[in-house]
Amino acid sequence: AQSVAQPEDQVNVAEGNPLTVKCTYSVSGNPYLFWYVQYPNRGLQFLLKYITGDNLVKGSYGFEAEFNKSQTSFHLKKPSALVSDSALYFCAVREVGGKLIFGQGTELSVKP
Amino acid sequence: DAGVIQSPRHEVTEMGQEVTLRCKPISGHDYLFWYRQTMMRGLELLIYFNNNVPIDDSGMPEDRFSAKMPNASFSTLKIQPSEPRDSAVYFCASRVAGGGGETQYFGPGTRLLVL
Repeated sequence: AQSVAQPEDQVNVAEGNPLTVKCTYSVSGNPYLFWYVQYPNRGLQFLLKYITGDNLVKGSYGFEAEFNKSQTSFHLKKPSALVSDSALYFCAVREVGGKLIFGQGTELSVKP
Repeated sequence: DAGVIQSPRHEVTEMGQEVTLRCKPISGHDYLFWYRQTMMRGLELLIYFNNNVPIDDSGMPEDRFSAKMPNASFSTLKIQPSEPRDSAVYFCASRVAGGGGETQYFGPGTRLLVL
């Protein structure tokens, strides 16, 4: 079965610094990987996805993610964090049949 | 497009009562998903539909939970009878059919509290 792991429950970053939210995956076959963000009291919003092609995927709000097959990772990155980026971030992998398997989430806190 | 619409946004009920959550997917989307989010268990897929037909309900906790999709623009998730441990945020999501990389779009959720 497909799975993803987010090893950090919380990431703390100072505003203006680069941020990384980690995700590793376990799949059979080619992975379809996603990042979603959830702001307080809101639904999940799609950020970006990797299907095939370039290992560096660019998404919404200045976020990007790097697909690394050898390390089975799909880390989310942003060069300069904003306080407004503070939210809960989910990594997900598509399973056979089309459903998504989500990680446990990482709480990102960006301080001024 | 208005996005995925869920109602009600908040629901407070007493143990033993029936609860019905509603979802209107994005027009033209072929798949509809119901998720539950709790602090303890994270985000769990309960059931999903393709072209109004339930495909996988293995995540439905027990017989107290049921879901229907009578047409392409409406789905319900019913809990009868409700219990305090059902308290959670319930999300509906939808997407188009395709080769596999299609994005799911989530509704704002229904926050359920069972007393």
